[in-house]
Amino acid sequence: AQKVTQAQTEISVVEKEDVTLDCVYETRDTTYYLFWYKQPPSGELVFLIRRNSFDEQNEISGRYSWNFQKSTSSFNFTITASQVVDSAVYFCALSGGIQGAQKLVFGQGTRLTINP
Amino acid sequence: DTEVTQTPKHLVMGMTNKKSLKCEQHMGHRAMYWYKQKAKKPPELMFVYSYEKLSINESVPSRFSPECPNSSLLNLHLHALQPEDSALYLCASSQDLAGGPGSYEQYFGPGTRLTVT
Repeated sequence: AQKVTQAQTEISVVEKEDVTLDCVYETRDTTYYLFWYKQPPSGELVFLIRRNSFDEQNEISGRYSWNFQKSTSSFNFTITASQVVDSAVYFCALSGGIQGAQKLVFGQGTRLTINP
Repeated sequence: DTEVTQTPKHLVMGMTNKKSLKCEQHMGHRAMYWYKQKAKKPPELMFVYSYEKLSINESVPSRFSPECPNSSLLNLHLHALQPEDSALYLCASSQDLAGGPGSYEQYFGPGTRLTVT
């Protein structure tokens, strides 16, 4: 069975601090995909990144960066110099295999609050 | 344009009412999804349509009836709902997987906040 664990339920930091959101996953598939989504108070889930299991290269996009480590089954997300607009619930998600590829398994989410 | 639209934004209905939620995308995606999200919980998959055919039903009660009239539209018909069905209903779309090895990201709409009284 596939599982995603986001152990941090809530994080609160002051603006301009760096913050890392943890994501640990479990899967028996050799081919799988990992995602991060942002859900602001408006409710819409915003796609941030997709990473496949064969590509462990870390990625940076502006203030956002992702660290994928298969050895520890982790896909952590770091926001550098956080801003109030980063306040949202962040979900890590996993989909796997060919037949299961349309199904996303979400973690419980981390509620991030950036205080001015 | 990565936009998925949903109507209405808010819906209040009684347990004997019949209503429908609508979702539309114009990204050429051939897979569309319905999710249910309760407060402070992650989205839960309800249905998946692939090429306008129902491919996944996550054992959803029959009071929820999905419909995919064409590749751009997805409806969710509601009948005889219970108060515990009150939630945010999210629609999403993605490129389909037919013939492809990959798994594509899903793009979500803003949701319909449903209250059953």
